[in-house]
Amino acid sequence: GQQLNQSPQSMFIQEGEDVSMNCTSSSIFNTWLWYKQDPGEGPVLLIALYKAGELTSNGRLTAQFGITRKDSFLNISASIPSDVGIYFCAPANYGGATNKLIFGTGTLLAVQP
Amino acid sequence: NAGVTQTPKFRVLKTGQSMTLLCAQDMNHEYMYWYRQDPGMGLRLIHYSVGEGTTAKGEVPDGYNVSRLKKQNFLLGLESAAPSQTSVYFCASSRTADTLGGYTFGSGTRLTVV
Repeated sequence: GQQLNQSPQSMFIQEGEDVSMNCTSSSIFNTWLWYKQDPGEGPVLLIALYKAGELTSNGRLTAQFGITRKDSFLNISASIPSDVGIYFCAPANYGGATNKLIFGTGTLLAVQP
Repeated sequence: NAGVTQTPKFRVLKTGQSMTLLCAQDMNHEYMYWYRQDPGMGLRLIHYSVGEGTTAKGEVPDGYNVSRLKKQNFLLGLESAAPSQTSVYFCASSRTADTLGGYTFGSGTRLTVV
């Protein structure tokens, strides 16, 4: 079956540090999404990638869709305390009949002021 | 504008009891989903619906049933709760397949089965 690996599982950093996390899959996808879950809340979409090789930024966040279409990474620059939460990658095949997302196991980010 | 509302927010059940989790969305979305979140396992899809009156199984459907009698509501039922169903349950909705990034999640229901 399909395997989706997200790493690292957790990160404990100092405020101001940069962060990098990634997802790799055994299957090809045409869409990679990144979500953030604040403590006690549901996930919220951060960045959407729809093209292999695409590099997209949203403020201090940068994400890339891997050329092989089997991976993606998310970088956060100059982290701040409100970056705390769980980050999920969620690949899918755009245009599918069911609009189903698969979620990675998540990266827990803790930022110490 | 409430988005996706889940009730209840917390619940403790005894093994063998039944309950229904309610998800309501006010965005006129066609698609609705139920996920469970467990430590180290991310979000796993239980059941989903692509429109009023439709339901389909996801990755981990055993022990759960769902119904979508009205477009705005998606109910998740546990007929006989088991400790393995202790989890945080999230409902989500999206408009259609052409808005793939447009999942809106509720804030979750934390269920403990003792």
